[in-house]
Amino acid sequence: LAKTTQPISMDSYEGQEVNITCSHNNIATNDYITWYQQFPSQGPRFIIQGYKTKVTNEVASLFIPADRKSSTLSLPRVSLSDTAVYYCLVPPEDMRFGAGTRLTVKP
Amino acid sequence: DAMVIQNPRYQVTQFGKPVTLSCSQTLNHNVMYWYQQKSSQAPKLLFHYYDKDFNNEADTPDNFQSRRPNTSFCFLDIRSPGLGDAAMYLCATSRPGSNQPQHFGDGTRLSIL
Repeated sequence: LAKTTQPISMDSYEGQEVNITCSHNNIATNDYITWYQQFPSQGPRFIIQGYKTKVTNEVASLFIPADRKSSTLSLPRVSLSDTAVYYCLVPPEDMRFGAGTRLTVKP
Repeated sequence: DAMVIQNPRYQVTQFGKPVTLSCSQTLNHNVMYWYQQKSSQAPKLLFHYYDKDFNNEADTPDNFQSRRPNTSFCFLDIRSPGLGDAAMYLCATSRPGSNQPQHFGDGTRLSIL
């Protein structure tokens, strides 16, 4: 099973770039990495998904090295509103959430 | 906008009194999920449906049941709620297959008196 490992928590300041790394050593050839963001009292929200190299959208970038054993979610110039829990999921466990990374953005 | 809707947002029930939580979707997705999320914890998968095929997680208590009468609706029934069942309950949908992102509702927060 492609178990994922992420830091439990991270702190940052407004305006900084935040990088959250997820390790998934046993990822299968055809599997994508999916990231969700969850604010308090809301359901998780899909933010980005990728297979290899780099994916970018209006919210974040996802960097995936050639061996695909890890991936890094990059949030450019974070604001206070980016304070949330971020989850990395990989099949076949892509419906089961790990502990995630609690990001706190400070003024 | 297509979405996943959970009603009500807040539900209060009494210890041991059956309660039903509702979820509807306008995405026409085949797969629907129910999660339980307690404070400061990750969502925990209870069960999911692939169309009408029901898939129960091994550690989901028998006290939790689900119904999916059609593609759009799914219900979570808690037969005899205990104090430990107080939590946020999240419904999600997705297309079938791996690598399909889930779309979540905003949850129903259940309190047990």
